[in-house]
Amino acid sequence: QKEVEQDPGPLSVPEGAIVSLNCTYSNSAFQYFMWYRQYSRKGPELLMYTYSSGNKEDGRFTAQVDKSSKYISLFIRDSQPSDSATYLCAGTKAAGNKLTFGGGTRVLVKP
Amino acid sequence: NAGVTQTPKFQVLKTGQSMTLQCAQDMNHEYMSWYRQDPGMGLRLIHYSVGAGITDQGEVPNGYNVSRSTTEDFPLRLLSAAPSQTSVYFCASSASPRAGGNTIYFGEGSWLTVV
Repeated sequence: QKEVEQDPGPLSVPEGAIVSLNCTYSNSAFQYFMWYRQYSRKGPELLMYTYSSGNKEDGRFTAQVDKSSKYISLFIRDSQPSDSATYLCAGTKAAGNKLTFGGGTRVLVKP
Repeated sequence: NAGVTQTPKFQVLKTGQSMTLQCAQDMNHEYMSWYRQDPGMGLRLIHYSVGAGITDQGEVPNGYNVSRSTTEDFPLRLLSAAPSQTSVYFCASSASPRAGGNTIYFGEGSWLTVV
């Protein structure tokens, strides 16, 4: 079993809808959690960075971490076609290095 | 602002050949890593380094070699290429946690095919 699990999708939503993405993880030592966005044939780009449990909001993006259930979420409000990409969640024990990634969820936002 | 630069972007190798994927960063980051990405697998850590002269293995190190002689460069060597090493390779860097580093920056990737 992988340490970080994600539904591969694709997740298709109409423009303007809320995109809801989830990950589960099994390593209790993870303290830092990230969401990356990856466009086709590009490198991952950091979207959200969260330490321990709680919520974090940045513009249209909200990240939630529930360490008690080992559950990570990302919500994208007012989705745009430019949000169409693969979204990768990741966890790590210590900041700055050695990320463990989920397999990624492909999102399609249709105009 | 170059960030993390990887070369080459595309490469085709024959089984048994060796090659080096180059990675350079201009942000004076102490931490550097190599990941590979395969369909449905996400990114998996191959090797990482927390500073010049210091390297360690990640999740999938077999068949790869690294060294870190300078802060800027972290090359990844394939010793004897195998078809199972066909993948997309990403180099990453970050500042150390004591320097406030919590963002890991990725390069654009190197697409490698071994035939």
